[in-house]
Order: sequence, then structure tokens, then C-alpha cells
Amino acid sequence: QKEVEQDPGPLSVPEGAIVSLNCTYSNSAFQYFMWYRQYSRKGPELLMYTYSSGNKEDGRFTAQVDKSSKYISLFIRDSQPSDSATYLCAMSVSSGTYKYIFGTGTRLKVLA
Amino acid sequence: AAGVIQSPRHLIKEKRETATLKCYPIPRHDTVYWYQQGPGQDPQFLISFYEKMQSDKGSIPDRFSAQQFSDYHSELNMSSLELGDSALYFCASSSQGQGQGNEQFFGPGTRLTVL
Repeated sequence: QKEVEQDPGPLSVPEGAIVSLNCTYSNSAFQYFMWYRQYSRKGPELLMYTYSSGNKEDGRFTAQVDKSSKYISLFIRDSQPSDSATYLCAMSVSSGTYKYIFGTGTRLKVLA
Repeated sequence: AAGVIQSPRHLIKEKRETATLKCYPIPRHDTVYWYQQGPGQDPQFLISFYEKMQSDKGSIPDRFSAQQFSDYHSELNMSSLELGDSALYFCASSSQGQGQGNEQFFGPGTRLTVL
């Protein structure tokens, strides 16, 4: 079993919809939680970086972390066709030079 | 803002050949990470360097080696290439300065194809 599980999708939604992307994990030592957006054949782009449990909002994006359930979410409000990409969650046990463990990514398609 | 630079962007090699991938981190970043991403797969951590010293090692084959130089750029050397080495290779960088988290910023990747 992978340390980080993520539904691969694809997830298709109409423009303007609220999108919910999720990851579950098994390692309770994870403390830092990230969301990346990756367009086809491009490098992952950091969207959100959060520490421990709670919510963090940045524009149309909201990240939620529930460490008790080992569950994290990314919400995208007012989704746009330009949001169509693969969304990867990533986790780390600490700050510093620690490696990231990634989920497999969820492919999102926002239909105009 | 300056980003992570990787070269070459595309590389085609034959089996048993060698390849060298280069990574130039964001200015003032002192840590470099290498990841391998196969088709439809998540990025898998290979190796990282902090201040020119290896800081962590993941699923990097013995045929691969890497180093970080005095100007903080890094090179991933891959020998005896196999078909299964075909993948996107990403470099990421971060700063361990005071007050910094470990946000890793990724480069555009090098697409390696082994024929």
C-alpha cells in the first residue's frame, strides 16, 4: 500500500463548479502538506503549502488538513477551463531538507 | 521571478549509453532534490543535496550518481541506461534559510527517452 493515496480521476466538472480534490495517507509523522498543479509535460507548480491541521485559503484555492483522519483536501472555487490539469498532493515529515512523498495525482478537466 | 532551470529539456539515448542531466536552482536556494516521474506516475524521490553534501537518498539505482557543485547547481549522471529509465526527471530546489519552510520549487523537467 502506498503511503499517500489519491483518486486518479479523471474528474470532469462544468465551468464555475466547486472542485474537491482529496488525499489520504497512512504515515502519522507527516506534518507538512502541499498541493501542486501539473500541466501536461510540465513541471509541478506549487499551489498550497500547509503545516499541521487546519485550513489555508489563497484566492480561489482552499487547503484543508485533518490529521486525526489522515485526510487532506484542496477546494477550487469558480473553476475555470485553465484549471484543467493534474493535481498532486505531497507530504513531508518535517521542514528542512526532507523529501516529499507524492500522491499519484488527480486529472481534472473543467468544461467550458 | 527566476525559476529552476534544467537542461537539456529533451534527451534521447540508446540502451547502455550514459546521460548527464543538469539543474540550476533558484538563486540563493541551497538544497536540490531530484525526482523521477514515469508515465502516469507520481514523482519518486531519488536524491537530495544540501550545501553540496548529500542529505537524503531514495530509490536511486546504483547506476545513477549525482553531486552538487560550489555554485549550487547539480548534475545527475546516469550510466548503463535501460529502457525503464525513460521518464521525466525533475529537479526541485528549496532554501533552508532562517524563517523558511521547505517549499520545493520544481523545474520544467528533462524528458529522457531510452531506445
